[in-house]
Amino acid sequence: QKEVEQNSGPLSVPEGAIASLNCTYSDRVSQSFFWYRQYSGKSPELIMSIYSNGDKEDGRFTAQLNKASQYVSLLIRDSQPSDSATYLCAFYSALGRLYFGRGTQLTVWP
Amino acid sequence: EAGVVQSPRYKIIEKKQPVAFWCNPISGHNTLYWYRQNLGQGPELLIRYENEEAVDDSQLPKDRFSAERLKGVDSTLKIQPAELGDSAVYLCASSPWMSGEQNTGELFFGEGSRLTVL
Repeated sequence: QKEVEQNSGPLSVPEGAIASLNCTYSDRVSQSFFWYRQYSGKSPELIMSIYSNGDKEDGRFTAQLNKASQYVSLLIRDSQPSDSATYLCAFYSALGRLYFGRGTQLTVWP
Repeated sequence: EAGVVQSPRYKIIEKKQPVAFWCNPISGHNTLYWYRQNLGQGPELLIRYENEEAVDDSQLPKDRFSAERLKGVDSTLKIQPAELGDSAVYLCASSPWMSGEQNTGELFFGEGSRLTVL
């Protein structure tokens, strides 16, 4: 079993819609979860971090964490074409290693 | 403030040839990472340094890969000999935190070095 599983995508939504990205992880001990965004040909950049159960909102982005289900998600409201990118879910293992999922490619069409 | 600098950006070599990648982290960042990213996949950790010590190298294929960070600042990743399956983007990242420290988890990535092995 891979450490991080993401809904494979690709995901395509119209401008203004809500994009929902999901991720499950295998390490029950992990306390820190992250969403990175990677534009085509560019390097990943951190957009959200979440450490406790529930929702965390930052502008149009909401991260949701459910540790019991080992599930983390990212919602993007009012999606914009500039949100088109690959979104990588990541978490720290007990060994301090940051694991990344394979990513979900999102396309927002005007 | 300068970001993480990597070179070369692109490298094309024939199989069995050696190749080396260089990384200069953000000033003051004690922790340096080398990740490999295959097409359509997420980054996979190869090695993590805290200062000059390799604290996590269990995923580095040591038969052909080597890395060093002699003075605890810049780092070099070498592959010798390269194989077709080594074609990937090699990402260097740095962070100011070390093991056991409270941190935001943010890694600062360089632009990557894209390797093509023919």
